[in-house]
Amino acid sequence: DVKVTQSSRYLVKRTGEKVFLECVQDMDHENMFWYRQDPGLGLRLIYFSYDVKMKEKGDIPEGYSVSREKKERFSLILESASTNQTSMYLCASIITGGNQPQHFGDGTRLSIL
Amino acid sequence: AQTVTQSQPEMSVQEAETVTLSCTYDTSESDYYLFWYKQPPSRQMILVIRQEAYKQQNATENRFSVNFQKAAKSFSLKISDSQLGDAAMYFCAYRSYYRDDKIIFGKGTRLHILP
Repeated sequence: DVKVTQSSRYLVKRTGEKVFLECVQDMDHENMFWYRQDPGLGLRLIYFSYDVKMKEKGDIPEGYSVSREKKERFSLILESASTNQTSMYLCASIITGGNQPQHFGDGTRLSIL
Repeated sequence: AQTVTQSQPEMSVQEAETVTLSCTYDTSESDYYLFWYKQPPSRQMILVIRQEAYKQQNATENRFSVNFQKAAKSFSLKISDSQLGDAAMYFCAYRSYYRDDKIIFGKGTRLHILP
């Protein structure tokens, strides 16, 4: 079974801090995603990576960056955290092509004070 | 651009009854995949059921089935014999056949099961 592990379930940080959210998958998937989930807005794509060191902006990349130095690890970085980045963050991975579904991590509930 | 619409933000159903969650989508692609995911409270999002657009037969997984109407661009989820464990947020999702990053989610339907 594919496992996607997010480093923290809950995280509390202060405005202006640099925040790192880590995600690791164990099934050699090429594609990894970071989403933000807010009530009434569903899942919004922040960044997508289709290979090591390759990334593409999603729908809401402002205020975020990502890093993918190894195939199994995809990090989301909040360069200078702000209160409007308080949210649930979901990481997902998927194999290239085909009818396979995404596999999700447990999510990180991030609060910026 | 593709869109996915779930018109029911919230629904309730009596335990053991049947409920149908609606999903419509818009696309100009001829090949694609559709999914229903379940996200229980404070728990991981998991796949409920999937449908390939080229298949006419509706997918079924135990108590879960879909009504896929390709011409109408409709993909509803039917849950039979509802159980308390079915209470969750349900997301409909579209995956492009042509692009791996083209995965579009609806805004979700929160399903309550009444004992």
